[in-house]
Amino acid sequence: DSGVTQTPKHLITATGQRVTLRCSPRSGDLSVYWYQQSLDQGLQFLIQYYNGEERAKGNILERFSAQQFPDLHSELNLSSLELGDSALYFCASSPGPSGYNEQFFGPGTRLTVL
Amino acid sequence: GENVEQHPSTLSVQEGDSAVIKCTYSDSASNYFPWYKQELGKRPQLIIDIRSNVGEKKDQRIAVTLNKTAKHFSLHITETQPEDSAVYFCASPSNDMRFGAGTRLTVKP
Repeated sequence: DSGVTQTPKHLITATGQRVTLRCSPRSGDLSVYWYQQSLDQGLQFLIQYYNGEERAKGNILERFSAQQFPDLHSELNLSSLELGDSALYFCASSPGPSGYNEQFFGPGTRLTVL
Repeated sequence: GENVEQHPSTLSVQEGDSAVIKCTYSDSASNYFPWYKQELGKRPQLIIDIRSNVGEKKDQRIAVTLNKTAKHFSLHITETQPEDSAVYFCASPSNDMRFGAGTRLTVKP
């Protein structure tokens, strides 16, 4: 157990809908990263937050947004969902602002868009 | 942003053989190089990392070597076991997080 929690574990929804994925980092970690992993694909970096502020942006679509709250949990919002958004979404946390330390991954949320 | 290329995409070895996975990166300012292992249906987990002030780091059967001049780093697994079967990802954090595309390692008993 990495100490990072994600909810829900599974999510099934329809095209055009909007969903929210939630992540709670390890105690003491200030950075949260979001990744998308499609079937048999690699880890696509979406976005990073550090202590409530956006720190780095990757290949995040405009239909997706995220935020980190004062208690450091983070939410990833996916809207106008398409079939291709079906994937495993991981969040990860680390203590500092840079990527130069180990990241601890949550168990992931599996999103299925029908 | 940083580009990270990982080879091979799949690797099959016999139990007891060695396995080597290589990554190349583009940002010469990169100074931290981790390797993550993802077993089927599970989360990625760090197995070893190296910083640019050393050329090699070992932890039991796994080792990572770094060649800063050539901008590549490699994961070496010796005496492979079936439980080493997984997907392995390298990463080269720069301004953002870039992972390699992954190597699916299969260790045949």
